[in-house]
Amino acid sequence: EVQLVQSGAEVKKPGESLKISCKGSGYSFTTYWIGWVRQMPGKGLEWMGIIYPRDSDTRYSPSFQGQVTISADKSISTAYLQWSSLKASDTAMYYCARHSYGGNSEVDYWGQGTLVTVSS
Amino acid sequence: QSVLTQPPSVSAAPGQKVTISCSGSSSNIGNNYVSWYQQLPGTAPKLLMYENNKRPSGIPDRFSGSKSGTSATLGITGLQTGDEAGYYCGAWDSSLSAWVFGGGTKLTVL
Repeated sequence: EVQLVQSGAEVKKPGESLKISCKGSGYSFTTYWIGWVRQMPGKGLEWMGIIYPRDSDTRYSPSFQGQVTISADKSISTAYLQWSSLKASDTAMYYCARHSYGGNSEVDYWGQGTLVTVSS
Repeated sequence: QSVLTQPPSVSAAPGQKVTISCSGSSSNIGNNYVSWYQQLPGTAPKLLMYENNKRPSGIPDRFSGSKSGTSATLGITGLQTGDEAGYYCGAWDSSLSAWVFGGGTKLTVL
């Protein structure tokens, strides 16, 4: 059974750094694109970017390029989303999402979500 | 604004049928597959339809998908109260080289 299990909720202050994680199991982690989707409170889904764990090829949405860093450690089947300096506007639920075959294919599995709250 | 356009809300009575539209352009829906996602309140999204009209295992045939030109439609028949959720369309955008979602449609089963 494919599972994506994300790290727990975080409460941070503006300017702090953060790295959240998503551990994949039940499939070959290195051969599927995996990425992140943001959902701000009461809003819709926004695709942030993806990574191919086998070679760490990474693609970002133009809206998120330079704002976050996506990485993966294939040795422990885990993808990461990282901020160097959080803003209040980063407050959102973040979902990891596996694309079914190519980076341009549908998301077939989702993590349970990690709530990030940024407040002074 | 989202790249793909959906109505913010739709509603219908139990047992009835509803359709949700998703409008895009030649760089996304017009030349790429469309998928649909259901997000029940307080939960993660779930894949409902892929490659325009294919249902993943476990999705009942009350749900259907279609695409014509730069628009796509999700249909739900025999509405149940458990279908109350947010519904999102998605597609790859070849110009942006990014996946794009619609703004989402909240379905209310009256």
